[in-house]
Amino acid sequence: DSGVTQTPKHLITATGQRVTLRCSPRSGDLSVYWYQQSLDQGLQFLIQYYNGEERAKGNILERFSAQQFPDLHSELNLSSLELGDSALYFCASSGLGLAGTGSYNEQFFGPGTRLTVL
Amino acid sequence: AQKITQTQPGMFVQEKEAVTLDCTYDTSDPSYGLFWYKQPSSGEMIFLIYQGSYDQQNATEGRYSLNFQKARKSANLVISASQLGDSAMYFCAMRGEGNTGKLIFGQGTTLQVKP
Repeated sequence: DSGVTQTPKHLITATGQRVTLRCSPRSGDLSVYWYQQSLDQGLQFLIQYYNGEERAKGNILERFSAQQFPDLHSELNLSSLELGDSALYFCASSGLGLAGTGSYNEQFFGPGTRLTVL
Repeated sequence: AQKITQTQPGMFVQEKEAVTLDCTYDTSDPSYGLFWYKQPSSGEMIFLIYQGSYDQQNATEGRYSLNFQKARKSANLVISASQLGDSAMYFCAMRGEGNTGKLIFGQGTTLQVKP
């Protein structure tokens, strides 16, 4: 158990709908990362938050948004869903917001939310 | 731009033997970190091992070791004494540029351990 929790575990919805994925990081971790894993795109970084503020953005669609709340949990909102959004969405957390020279920033992954868009 | 390449889509290994999973990377950042994660069929991502670009020695964690060849830009994972439970997808990843912790992943290698 990584200590990162994600809900729900599975989500089935229809095209055009909007869903919210929730993530609780490990106790004390300030950084939250969202990743999308799909068959055609592989594992892709979406967005990072550090202590409530957006820190880095990756290949995140404009239809997607995220936020991190004062209690450090994070939500990923996916709207106007398309068939191609079907994927496994991971949340990860780490203690550091920045990666210092020579240091590492191990990320602990949650179990993922499997989204199926029909 | 940074890139991670895993050229072996699938690998087979006999139980109790060693196996090497290949990973090459490309980056212009002099400071970087390389990671290996394991993803069993259940789907979770399990951190295995880390290598920093300035580390003088190759990283080891139990049966996992990382064969880091900086000049060749390779970071191969070596699993010794393979077990049936090692059957999984393995991802090589690099910490992204720009002093954030985001990870860039390779396409993964599926390892099957035969009894």
